[in-house]
Amino acid sequence: DTGVSQDPRHKITKRGQNVTFRCDPISEHNRLYWYRQTLGQGPEFLTYFQNEAQLEKSRLLSDRFSAERPKGSFSTLEIQRTEQGDSAMYLCASSLGTSDRKETQYFGPGTRLLVL
Amino acid sequence: AQTVTQSQPEMSVQEAETVTLSCTYDTSESDYYLFWYKQPPSRQMILVIRQEAYKQQNATENRFSVNFQKAAKSFSLKISDSQLGDAAMYFCAYRSAVTGTASKLTFGTGTRLQVTL
Repeated sequence: DTGVSQDPRHKITKRGQNVTFRCDPISEHNRLYWYRQTLGQGPEFLTYFQNEAQLEKSRLLSDRFSAERPKGSFSTLEIQRTEQGDSAMYLCASSLGTSDRKETQYFGPGTRLLVL
Repeated sequence: AQTVTQSQPEMSVQEAETVTLSCTYDTSESDYYLFWYKQPPSRQMILVIRQEAYKQQNATENRFSVNFQKAAKSFSLKISDSQLGDAAMYFCAYRSAVTGTASKLTFGTGTRLQVTL
């Protein structure tokens, strides 16, 4: 169990560029979550996958954002035409969903995005 | 929608002393989970403790314990015998246990804990 990993850890981009982040969950975990954390705030939910199916998207996830989880393994989060307001830490978490809902979400180290 | 409020942006405690971090939440649901997560500087978030709303007994994990008051919708974290390694941002979080809802976490704004010698 190597934990949740995210790549890259830091990304600096210019406004208008596209960026893509990757998350590798803990291997046996069937659920994967993306959150966004801005300075001085707690993480906010963006989207959720169970296996390869994207089951919920937050209203925070504008049409410039897209997430995928092909084959139910790693996930990618793409932001198109980045804006300065997209600057934040993007956190990925994974969990093993159980029928009793006692799952625990394990977080990755995050990708810090700065849009200039 | 559920909300989580942490009214203490910063707290300080001396090493070996005890500190309590406050958290209140608002929900119309009766079945849910509450969590405290710790986020050390530049390190990833880790789970400190979890409380199931249907359990009256307060959860404990070594030096960490909670005071869960369901009627008051209060969920405080007590850290005993504080250590330098406890210095971090602490987030209170809520998750619904209602069948059919997503398992997303709703976080508070966090409390930064400083531990002094």
